[in-house]
Amino acid sequence: DVKVTQSSRYLVKRTGEKVFLECVQDMDHENMFWYRQDPGLGLRLIYFSYDVKMKEKGDIPEGYSVSREKKERFSLILESASTNQTSMYLCASTSWGGDKDEAFFGQGTRLTVV
Amino acid sequence: AQKITQTQPGMFVQEKEAVTLDCTYDTSDQSYGLFWYKQPSSGEMIFLIYQGSYDEQNATEGRYSLNFQKARKSANLVISASQLGDSAMYFCAVTGGFKTIFGAGTRLFVKA
Repeated sequence: DVKVTQSSRYLVKRTGEKVFLECVQDMDHENMFWYRQDPGLGLRLIYFSYDVKMKEKGDIPEGYSVSREKKERFSLILESASTNQTSMYLCASTSWGGDKDEAFFGQGTRLTVV
Repeated sequence: AQKITQTQPGMFVQEKEAVTLDCTYDTSDQSYGLFWYKQPSSGEMIFLIYQGSYDEQNATEGRYSLNFQKARKSANLVISASQLGDSAMYFCAVTGGFKTIFGAGTRLFVKA
């Protein structure tokens, strides 16, 4: 039973391209997150959203933007892809502090920018 | 602000033995949650265990238990009876509601 789905498992894009990474969750969670994972650096938070049309910068937002037009969908946008954005991107959705505390991840998108 | 520290970049354990993965955290939230995830080589993040800051008892899930010491801001993961399939990266995370922050991870190697 898939809970968080990322649109692509692997992507290869050229420098300067605009890249969209999509994430969809089916658990009616309020909070959604985008992380990037690099060797030795763990997971670093790029952006997160706690409600529709709401977004907050994480620790490394430069070069990225996000969109949350619907509760179930959170998109990460690379306006002009660069080689230093080659990474594994992970989307997560969470519910915390209410009836249930849980957090689930998508399967990850490995992006290569050439 | 929240911060997670996992001081062990790599750990070795003999199959069938227990292992403890360290995690310390810092948060200004009065109420918060702690998560542990496993990431095998396939890259997916697998939820293992959760501890709420208001929970007095340590969380347990099968072979996983969380040694929660609130005063020391410590949330170590204990894996009992290690199996070869436990070889993976393990991440600790803290959430204060809106924001969830992860540590750098610990790579666990289980030896046969």
